Amino acid sequence: KAGVTQTPRYLIKTRGQQVTLSCSPISGHRSVSWYQQTPGQGLQFLFEYFSETQRNKGNFPGRFSGRQFSNSRSEMNVSTLELGDSALYLCASSLGANTVVDEKLFFGSGTQLSVL
Amino acid sequence: GENVEQHPSTLSVQEGDSAVIKCTYSDSASNYFPWYKQELGKRPQLIIDIRSNVGEKKDQRIAVTLNKTAKHFSLHITETQPEDSAVYFCAAPHPSGGSYIPTFGRGTSLIVHP
Repeated sequence: KAGVTQTPRYLIKTRGQQVTLSCSPISGHRSVSWYQQTPGQGLQFLFEYFSETQRNKGNFPGRFSGRQFSNSRSEMNVSTLELGDSALYLCASSLGANTVVDEKLFFGSGTQLSVL
Repeated sequence: GENVEQHPSTLSVQEGDSAVIKCTYSDSASNYFPWYKQELGKRPQLIIDIRSNVGEKKDQRIAVTLNKTAKHFSLHITETQPEDSAVYFCAAPHPSGGSYIPTFGRGTSLIVHP
């Protein structure tokens, strides 16, 4: 079974631009959650999508948004990029039968975003 | 304080020694506690998890113990090997906005010297 796939692997943007990241979950997994990983703040939860609906949300500004398609693939968008948005963005998929805090998460390799 | 506190931040051991990493959480209703291993440049991978209805779980050289009264859980690695070198993260549910979100410890960098 193929693992969680994230594209692109690397991305360089300038301040003020917007960016869209993509995540394809493991086949049969219906939940996709997104995380920001930085050396300073560690791994932080952004949001979770299940059945094309945002089911859970962390404490990030509205510039961070996402969506999920009917095939469970998910995209994350960051608008008006700031220098502090430079990070590794990870997505994870899980079955979705329970809440995201009650399930094993399978992570993708991440998208390394650099904002200049 | 942090919602999930993880200690130590760095752990250096000799091959064959044991390693213990501890996490403390804040919400007494939390009931699922996973541990993830992230090798340099790679994705985090679940290595073991425990639910609140048990106190200990083992998988070969890895074990996790849970103390619900004290609100802490620990990862134990015995007979460490160089390939165990990685960053280990614990996670616990934390209340936010009327629901629970996954909250991670800051990570422990384990270095196993051959």
